[in-house]
Amino acid sequence: QSALTQPASVSGSPGQSITISCTGTSSDVGGYVYVSWYQQHPGKAPKLMIYDVNNRPSGVSNRFSGSKSGNTASLTISGLQAEDEADYYCSSYTSSSTYVFGTGTKVTVL
Amino acid sequence: EVQLVESGGALVQPGGSLRLSCAASGFTFNNYGMSWVRQAPGKGLEWVSAISGSGGSTFHADSVKGRFTISRDNSKNTLFVQMNSLRAEDTAVYYCAKQVRIAAHRDAFDIWGQGTMVTVSS
Repeated sequence: QSALTQPASVSGSPGQSITISCTGTSSDVGGYVYVSWYQQHPGKAPKLMIYDVNNRPSGVSNRFSGSKSGNTASLTISGLQAEDEADYYCSSYTSSSTYVFGTGTKVTVL
Repeated sequence: EVQLVESGGALVQPGGSLRLSCAASGFTFNNYGMSWVRQAPGKGLEWVSAISGSGGSTFHADSVKGRFTISRDNSKNTLFVQMNSLRAEDTAVYYCAKQVRIAAHRDAFDIWGQGTMVTVSS
């Protein structure tokens, strides 16, 4: 199972909006609603930000939103803040009854 | 407080074995599927293994199939992974993670432990 494809880096100024893409296949992203997004700060465990394509867990800011079209999912961060600077990973359930993560995207707040 | 605490990480020689544990607290452990996810130094996340709440169903990534075995002891609220025939490429921080919903077969991971480091080297 190959990793889902994400851009290596995305940057934006405070207050701006950015979008991170996550491209898979019909056997993972395109075939299921079980797409999730995780935020990871250096030296810390990942934190769930979005699940089931566009659902936010309790406590996650509504500045984070998710969507999906075909084999590509997206995470949008609006009103970018300094604390959003981190690595972000998408993940999907697959037709092999396994999970696959994305390659990861480093978000930089300029 | 919902919490996961991993232990058992160590330096092990290639070809060796190791068993990691993950102690759960603050939730009804046997209601939730659990997974192990690893992260090699400076690299991304890689899903390793998953197990259903009852322990009756297990799943493994191709990269560890036949070498790793996930299990759980619901009486002790503990998740395990037995790792055999370890290779240098298994070197990583290993996280245990809890699924979001009760009895979900397919789900995201909402609670993560702090991780335990496994180093495979001679």
